[in-house]
Amino acid sequence: KQEVTQIPAALSVPEGENLVLNCSFTDSAIYNLQWFRQDPGKGLTSLLLIQSSQREQTSGRLNASLDKSSGRSTLYIAASQPGDSATYLCAVEYSSASKIIFGSGTRLSIRP
Amino acid sequence: EAQVTQNPRYLITVTGKKLTVTCSQNMNHEYMSWYRQDPGLGLRQIYYSMNVEVTDKGDVPEGYKVSRKEKRNFPLILESPSPNQTSLYFCASSLTSGGSSGANVLTFGAGSRLTVL
Repeated sequence: KQEVTQIPAALSVPEGENLVLNCSFTDSAIYNLQWFRQDPGKGLTSLLLIQSSQREQTSGRLNASLDKSSGRSTLYIAASQPGDSATYLCAVEYSSASKIIFGSGTRLSIRP
Repeated sequence: EAQVTQNPRYLITVTGKKLTVTCSQNMNHEYMSWYRQDPGLGLRQIYYSMNVEVTDKGDVPEGYKVSRKEKRNFPLILESPSPNQTSLYFCASSLTSGGSSGANVLTFGAGSRLTVL
């Protein structure tokens, strides 16, 4: 069964820290993996998409890596700010069908 | 502005009363999909569409119908809503799907909160 897991479910860190969010998935036959941000009561905003042939993607203070062989992706946030507080979700598009499966998210809180 | 628009944003209805949640995108995207988000269960895919007249079931299609008669619209139909369909629903679209392409970035609507009494 194709599953996407995010641990921990919640994380609280002081402002300025660098942090890593984790995403693991079963079945390495994927098209891509996406990281999203969701603010309370709002929709999802795409942060980064890593294609299956790529190892990492960067956007500003964010860096996402992908290791298909181990079924893992990480989202690295540098110099965290209170505005980074949100829930972060990863989603995997599997190549067996155009199904996109989401992890349950990590709720991140940055303390001023 | 490029966007995915869902309506209604909030709806309270009663068991058995048919309803439709509309979804429209203005980006000429081929791929569209519907998700529901429930506490502790995350986002689950209901249906998706690779292009006009092409739809397929996601992980939780029971109790829902969709249609894709035009590229821009992908309505979600609840023929006979039940309380277990109370949820937050999201529509999303991307330029393409499948293959390994940077064009698969999903754009989400703002969500539709549905309560079935």
